[in-house]
Amino acid sequence: DSGVTQTPKHLITATGQRVTLRCSPRSGDLSVYWYQQSLDQGLQFLIQYYNGEERAKGNILERFSAQQFPDLHSELNLSSLELGDSALYFCASSVKGEKLFFGSGTQLSVL
Amino acid sequence: AQSVAQPEDQVNVAEGNPLTVKCTYSVSGNPYLFWYVQYPNRGLQFLLKYITGDNLVKGSYGFEAEFNKSQTSFHLKKPSALVSDSALYFCAVRGDTGGFKTIFGAGTRLFVKA
Repeated sequence: DSGVTQTPKHLITATGQRVTLRCSPRSGDLSVYWYQQSLDQGLQFLIQYYNGEERAKGNILERFSAQQFPDLHSELNLSSLELGDSALYFCASSVKGEKLFFGSGTQLSVL
Repeated sequence: AQSVAQPEDQVNVAEGNPLTVKCTYSVSGNPYLFWYVQYPNRGLQFLLKYITGDNLVKGSYGFEAEFNKSQTSFHLKKPSALVSDSALYFCAVRGDTGGFKTIFGAGTRLFVKA
């Protein structure tokens, strides 16, 4: 167990809908990272937060947004969903941006 | 911009033989280099890292990796493969400046045959 908790584990929704993925980092970790894993694009970095502030941005679509709350948990919001958004979404946390601890992921299926 | 290349989609090796999974990288400044492993239906697990010091770093489960600055490579190695090593392996890089984002390679699937 990495200590990073992601909910829900599975999510099935329809095109055009909006969903929220939640991540609780390991106790004491200030950094939270979001990644998208799909068969054709591998593991893509989406966004990183550090102690509530956005620190780095990757290939995150404008339809996607994230935030980190004062208690350090993070949420990834995906809106106007398309079939191509179906993927495994991982959250990871770290202390100093070195070793990342990954959650078990949220499998999103857009039908 | 940071990037990581894992040139092999798949590596096949017989149990007991040595294995190598290749990785090359590009990053501004000094690299922080990592290997992670992913088993089916699981998140990624940290194997080892290089930040500074000895070019040969040792990690979990008998794995090691060699940092080569001139070739910008960080290949993962193990002297004797086990069937249980079969998994998806990711190389990752982070720069030492800026937002500390960690970029992953596409992954290499390792098959160890008994």
